[in-house]
Amino acid sequence: SQELEQSPQSLIVQEGKNLTINCTSSKTLYGLYWYKQKYGEGLIFLMMLQKGGEEKSHEKITAKLDEKKQQSSLHITASQPSHAGIYLCGADKQAGTALIFGKGTTLSVSS
Amino acid sequence: NAGVMQNPRHLVRRRGQEARLRCSPMKGHSHVYWYRQLPEEGLKFMVYLQKENIIDESGMPKERFSAEFPKEGPSILRIQQVVRGDSAAYFCASSPGAGGWNEQFFGPGTRLTVL
Repeated sequence: SQELEQSPQSLIVQEGKNLTINCTSSKTLYGLYWYKQKYGEGLIFLMMLQKGGEEKSHEKITAKLDEKKQQSSLHITASQPSHAGIYLCGADKQAGTALIFGKGTTLSVSS
Repeated sequence: NAGVMQNPRHLVRRRGQEARLRCSPMKGHSHVYWYRQLPEEGLKFMVYLQKENIIDESGMPKERFSAEFPKEGPSILRIQQVVRGDSAAYFCASSPGAGGWNEQFFGPGTRLTVL
């Protein structure tokens, strides 16, 4: 069965520093989704990537999907305390199916 | 446009009782997904429904769990005779459905505690 591996499991960065979170699949993905979850709350949709080589940015967050559509990275530039939370990558093998998720990366930003 | 609504947000049940979790999808969304989040296990798919139909229930435990999405009203996840292991956060997500994009919007979750 398909699995998503996220790394690192947790991350502590100083405010203002850049960071990268990775998500790797054993199989080719139809779509790759990034979500953020604050402790005790629901998931907030960040970005979806579908095409090999695709890159999307929103404010200080950039997500990329590799050409083979098996690996994605999420990059945060000049981190702020508001970026703290759990980042989850999700993926589906085809449209209209349920997502599988990685175990998440917990990000803490120290000021 | 209101987001995905779930209620209750917190639910406490004693072992053997029934738990009913409700999910109202975003306006215009006809696809609903239920996920369960257990500590240390991450978010796991349970069931996928469209109006009046169960499309995929491969992640649903075979016993005690059931789900429905009637023509009118919210989707319901029902857990009968709850056990302590059912304690978890249950999330509902909705998507517009057909068209190739599977962008799922999540509700705030229902946190079930079984005493």
